[in-house]
Amino acid sequence: QVQLVQSGAEVKKPGASVKVSCKASGYTFKTYGINWVRQAPGQGLEWMGWIRIYNDEKHSAPKFQDRLTMSTDTLTSTAYMDLRSLRSDDTAVYYCARGFTGDSWGQGTLVTVSS
Amino acid sequence: DIQMTQSPSSLSASVGDRVTITCRASQGIRNYLAWFQQKPGKAPKSLIYAASNLQSGVPSKFSGSGSGTDFTLTISSLQPEDFATYYCQQYHTFPWTFGQGTKVEIK
Repeated sequence: QVQLVQSGAEVKKPGASVKVSCKASGYTFKTYGINWVRQAPGQGLEWMGWIRIYNDEKHSAPKFQDRLTMSTDTLTSTAYMDLRSLRSDDTAVYYCARGFTGDSWGQGTLVTVSS
Repeated sequence: DIQMTQSPSSLSASVGDRVTITCRASQGIRNYLAWFQQKPGKAPKSLIYAASNLQSGVPSKFSGSGSGTDFTLTISSLQPEDFATYYCQQYHTFPWTFGQGTKVEIK
C-alpha cells in the first residue's frame, strides 16, 4: 500500500535550517508529485510547495520562495523539504502529501523553533 | 492568490444529521477542488478530489459537488467518527490554497 514516512521531530534555534524527509513506498515514485503542507499549533493547513518528481518542476507559495528548497532522491524514493532562516512562527507540524489531490499523507514532522 | 472561503467555520450537529459545508473560491477553479478530513493530532485524510470524486475507501455518505467558484461537501448521516475538521483545497492555480477549515462538533 502507498506509504509516506517522514523523519522525526526537530528542535531548532532561530536562524537555523531544518531538513525534513519523506520516504515513499508502495508506488512508482516518479509518477506523482509531492506537496509540502504545514500546520502551526491550533491553526489550519498551509500549502508550502509542490515538486513534480519526473522533471523536477517546482512551485512554492510566495511567502516561502526565498527560504524553501524542495528536492528528491529517486534512488531512495525520498523527498526533502529544507526551510532556512527559521523563526519562532515556523513552529509547526510539516506534512508531505502525494500528488495533485493529496491522496496519501505522511504522519507529520513537528519542527519547534525556540531559543 | 486564489482565496478559499469555507462556511460555516464551525457547526454543531447530532448523530444522524445531514451536514453541508460550503467552499467558495475567489475566482473560477473549474473542478480542481479537494476535500480533506482531519482529526486532532492526526494527518489530514483525503476524502474527495475533482470536486465530486470519492477517494478509494471513503464511505459513500460523503459527497461533493460544484464547479467554478462554489462547492459543497455533504455528509448524509453524521456518525461519531465524522466529528472532525474539514478543509477544502484548490489545485487549479499555483500557489495552491486551503480554506480555513470547518470544525464539526457534537451537539
